[in-house]
Amino acid sequence: SQQGEEDPQALSIQEGENATMNCSYKTSINNLQWYRQNSGRGLVHLILIRSNEREKHSGRLRVTLDTSKKSSSLLITASRAADTASYFCATGLMNTGFQKLVFGTGTRLLVSP
Amino acid sequence: AAGVIQSPRHLIKEKRETATLKCYPIPRHDTVYWYQQGPGQDPQFLISFYEKMQSDKGSIPDRFSAQQFSDYHSELNMSSLELGDSALYFCASSYTGEAKNIQYFGAGTRLSVL
Repeated sequence: SQQGEEDPQALSIQEGENATMNCSYKTSINNLQWYRQNSGRGLVHLILIRSNEREKHSGRLRVTLDTSKKSSSLLITASRAADTASYFCATGLMNTGFQKLVFGTGTRLLVSP
Repeated sequence: AAGVIQSPRHLIKEKRETATLKCYPIPRHDTVYWYQQGPGQDPQFLISFYEKMQSDKGSIPDRFSAQQFSDYHSELNMSSLELGDSALYFCASSYTGEAKNIQYFGAGTRLSVL
């Protein structure tokens, strides 16, 4: 990946358990976003955390950002089978005011009933 | 709410043929982005347009070109197709007036080059 790695590459858990995915990146960023992708489908924006924020919550999602370590984590609590998907972190890099996203390699999450 | 519309959803082409992918952004969105996602890969930024002008360029081959039209829809033109061009092509749109500038993705066009 151009920007970084996610780990684990694959994660298999039972419904009700928590899932934690980590993302590392290489360059300075304006923000970091997490996206979800069901198999072969479009990317759905989940949550954005700015570079001056350390933690963000949205429903069952909790994102942390450590800019000193250039890393972020996504925690999904009380997982459901419907959470089965690939999860990508993407860093927002500003170029002349326009933001392109640089994606990590993704974590494939499988939640079994 | 209206989403990003991409067409076609699936496209099958032979090597050396050309392909045109279309993207209709969310109404009021002024910026369009194109990404390519190979099998098992992460999406890679190709090119973006703001107000019909190219705003940024990524790893887009010279065989590809794109433009944004007056109605803000965008087209990605791909010529001399190669087997390695087989991928999911995503379009995303955003509104620069929105502070977070979140990109909203279409469902993608799956291109298969045989």
